[in-house]
Amino acid sequence: QVQLVESGRGVVQPGRSLRLSCAASGFTFSNYGMHWVRQAPGKGLEWVAVIWYDGNNKYYADSVKGRFTISRDNSKNTLYLQMNSLRVEDTAVYYCARDLDRYDSRGWFDPWGQGTLVTVSS
Amino acid sequence: EIVLTQSPATLSLSPGERATLSCRASQSISSFVAWYQQKPGQAPRLLIYDASNRATGIPARFSGSGSGTDFTLTISSLEPEDFAVYYCQHRYNWPPLTFGGGTKVEIK
Repeated sequence: QVQLVESGRGVVQPGRSLRLSCAASGFTFSNYGMHWVRQAPGKGLEWVAVIWYDGNNKYYADSVKGRFTISRDNSKNTLYLQMNSLRVEDTAVYYCARDLDRYDSRGWFDPWGQGTLVTVSS
Repeated sequence: EIVLTQSPATLSLSPGERATLSCRASQSISSFVAWYQQKPGQAPRLLIYDASNRATGIPARFSGSGSGTDFTLTISSLEPEDFAVYYCQHRYNWPPLTFGGGTKVEIK
C-alpha cells in the first residue's frame, strides 16, 4: 500500500538548519508531485511547498520562501525539505503528502505521511 | 490571497445526526475545493475533492457540494468515528494553496 514516512525531527535553535526526509513506497514515486504541509501545535494546516514529479517546478509559501528548499531524489523514492534560518514560528508537525493525480500536480493531498515534529527554540 | 472561512468553529451533535459544515471563499474559486478529516494525533485524510468527488475509500455518507464562494460538507448520519476536525482547502490559481481554519465536530 502507499506509504510516506517522514524523518528528521528535532529541536533546533533559531537561525539553525534542519533537513527533513520523506521516504515513499507502494507507488511510482517519480510519477507524482509531492508537497510539504505543516501544522503548528494546536493550530490549522499550512501548505509549505510543492515539487513537480520531475523536479522541474517548485513553489513555496511566502512564509518560507528564500529559507526552505524542496527537492527530491526519484532514484531513492525520497522527498526532502531543507530548512535554513529557522524561526520560532516554524515550530510545527511537518507532513509530506502526495498529489492526488499522476504528473499533473492538481494541488490535492492524498495520502499524507504521519508527520514529524520540528521544534525551534533557544 | 484567497481566504477560506469555515463555520461553525464547533459543531456539537449526536451519533446518527446529520452534520452540515460550511466553507466560504473570499472570492469565486469555481469548484476547486477539497475537504479533509483529521483525528487527534493523526494526519489529515482527503475526503472530497473538486467540491463533490469522494476520494477513494470514503463512505457514501460524506458528500460535498457548492461552487463559486460557498461550499458544504455533509455527513448524512454521524458514526462514532466521524467526530474529528474538518478542513476545507482550495487550489484556485495556486500557488499558494490555503486551508480554512477548521470545524470541530464533537459529540453532544
